[in-house]
Amino acid sequence: GENVEQHPSTLSVQEGDSAVIKCTYSDSASNYFPWYKQELGKRPQLIIDIRSNVGEKKDQRIAVTLNKTAKHFSLHITETQPEDSAVYFCAASNKAAGNKLTFGGGTRVLVKP
Amino acid sequence: EPEVTQTPSHQVTQMGQEVILRCVPISNHLYFYWYRQILGQKVEFLVSFYNNEISEKSEIFDDQFSVERPDGSNFTLKIRSTKLEDSAMYFCASQDDMSYNEQFFGPGTRLTVL
Repeated sequence: GENVEQHPSTLSVQEGDSAVIKCTYSDSASNYFPWYKQELGKRPQLIIDIRSNVGEKKDQRIAVTLNKTAKHFSLHITETQPEDSAVYFCAASNKAAGNKLTFGGGTRVLVKP
Repeated sequence: EPEVTQTPSHQVTQMGQEVILRCVPISNHLYFYWYRQILGQKVEFLVSFYNNEISEKSEIFDDQFSVERPDGSNFTLKIRSTKLEDSAMYFCASQDDMSYNEQFFGPGTRLTVL
């Protein structure tokens, strides 16, 4: 089955700097890659997603890139703010395999003011 | 904006007891999921449900687990005989259409097995 690895596990940045989180996946059939933000005790919230027919997607300060050949995708947050502090999870799914999400291990991001 | 809801928010039970976790998916959604998250760990898939039957389940989802959609709105997860290691946050998620893959998560039920 699918396996998703995520790095780093923790990331501390200064407010205004950029943060980059990287994920790799194992199943070349995976075709949908969402990123979720989870604040303490809350539900995972989708912040951006990308499908396998696209190499890059941007939404304001957040961007995701996908390299299908290398089977990795990355989340980029620019101009970080204290409210970006949370745990971020990448995930992968395959529509043909029922669309279950396989999550990475999570990255705890701390934005220092 | 419609949201997935879950009850209870926190459930405390004794080992060996049965628990039922309840979810109300978004009303026009067709695909339903249960995930769990042990404290400090990643979210893990348990089971997916479509057209009144299980479409896929993980190895975690053994004979102690079952799911049901007893009416047009609720989606339940039952654990027949809880174990200490079942203590986790359980998230329900729903999705409207396979062609648009976003899954919307509920707020979760924190299950504590003593």
